[in-house]
Amino acid sequence: SQQGEEDPQALSIQEGENATMNCSYKTSINNLQWYRQNSGRGLVHLILIRSNEREKHSGRLRVTLDTSKKSSSLLITASRAADTASYFCATESNFGNEKLTFGTGTRLTIIP
Amino acid sequence: DAMVIQNPRYQVTQFGKPVTLSCSQTLNHNVMYWYQQKSSQAPKLLFHYYDKDFNNEADTPDNFQSRRPNTSFCFLDIRSPGLGDAAMYLCATSMIAGETQYFGPGTRLLVL
Repeated sequence: SQQGEEDPQALSIQEGENATMNCSYKTSINNLQWYRQNSGRGLVHLILIRSNEREKHSGRLRVTLDTSKKSSSLLITASRAADTASYFCATESNFGNEKLTFGTGTRLTIIP
Repeated sequence: DAMVIQNPRYQVTQFGKPVTLSCSQTLNHNVMYWYQQKSSQAPKLLFHYYDKDFNNEADTPDNFQSRRPNTSFCFLDIRSPGLGDAAMYLCATSMIAGETQYFGPGTRLLVL
């Protein structure tokens, strides 16, 4: 079964607005990662946050992690048309199984 | 530039005709992964290698096999493709299992 569920499934916003996507997961984790996928392409790693971290920034990206609620959020500020893509969270469980389990993804559309 | 390369980018095969997809990496990473991704779904892990140690997911069909002859190359063999195997196949690598993964552009497989 899917480890991560993302919310919303699809999001459309005007260019310049902020976009927030949420990810919930079921089991304890070592880290949580966010990836971007442009249509028909491979995934690109955006940011990794470890279980002992609560917030992380990278450029216009801000990720938060709440391990008590088993949830994470990705905020993209000042969105651009080039941010149009699908965004996936992925978790590494702390069972030591060496793999990531991906969430269902959020399809983000930035309207110019 | 260090990268993950997948060939071919598009593959058309006939129902039941064996097909091999290839992945190579110049990152010298220990771990290589194969994912299957169907339209609008999350990537689903098929197998991964930690060096030469092969790890098969429990729900990966027997129809799918993999080879890793050396650190740089990994192959996905589909012995008898069915219509349900049409998907994007993604190869990824990581230096440390469970950490950041670097994806290739994917091979889109069409089964006629």
